[in-house]
Amino acid sequence: DTEVTQTPKHLVMGMTNKKSLKCEQHMGHRAMYWYKQKAKKPPELMFVYSYEKLSINESVPSRFSPECPNSSLLNLHLHALQPEDSALYLCASSQGNSELETQYFGPGTRLLVL
Amino acid sequence: AQKVTQAQTEISVVEKEDVTLDCVYETRDTTYYLFWYKQPPSGELVFLIRRNSFDEQNEISGRYSWNFQKSTSSFNFTITASQVVDSAVYFCALSESFHNAGNMLTFGGGTRLMVKP
Repeated sequence: DTEVTQTPKHLVMGMTNKKSLKCEQHMGHRAMYWYKQKAKKPPELMFVYSYEKLSINESVPSRFSPECPNSSLLNLHLHALQPEDSALYLCASSQGNSELETQYFGPGTRLLVL
Repeated sequence: AQKVTQAQTEISVVEKEDVTLDCVYETRDTTYYLFWYKQPPSGELVFLIRRNSFDEQNEISGRYSWNFQKSTSSFNFTITASQVVDSAVYFCALSESFHNAGNMLTFGGGTRLMVKP
């Protein structure tokens, strides 16, 4: 089973709202990732968690706040977003115990900021 | 720095035609992985294949085949007898490791394949 689930599928929020994106995997993976993808562009890495610790932050603005409560869950808390933050947000996971691994992606959350 | 180039931004074919998607990469690493992912309109990135830098064997999986050539730094993807369901954006990607801190994928710009009936 190589399933990564993400909720919600779609999200519309105002610039003053606070919302969260959720990602879950039950493959025993210990590395989890958040990507942002704008239309007609490849995914851009935002954060990497390895063994529930933030290992990579690609200079993402503080209005995006990741959280990894346990090895199966990854959240992305959103606050005071801008319209340009509208995008597809993809979560991925990989085993986390070797040098090079395959990342498996979830279906994404389509976010619209008004 | 790593780089992946997919020169074809859009390809349009008629069903049952064969189509090849090109991927050229740059890296200074001697050990790396190359990937192809498919992204249908629904948005999910679907893993298709991984190739280790030490394994230059071509691979075939049904109508899909991959040609890895280190000498030209290319990892091309061919779909034989294309079908409408093959319509999607295809990404080639290169993996870089960060020593127990996860992996980073460098994606190409993607090739949008449209298969018309």
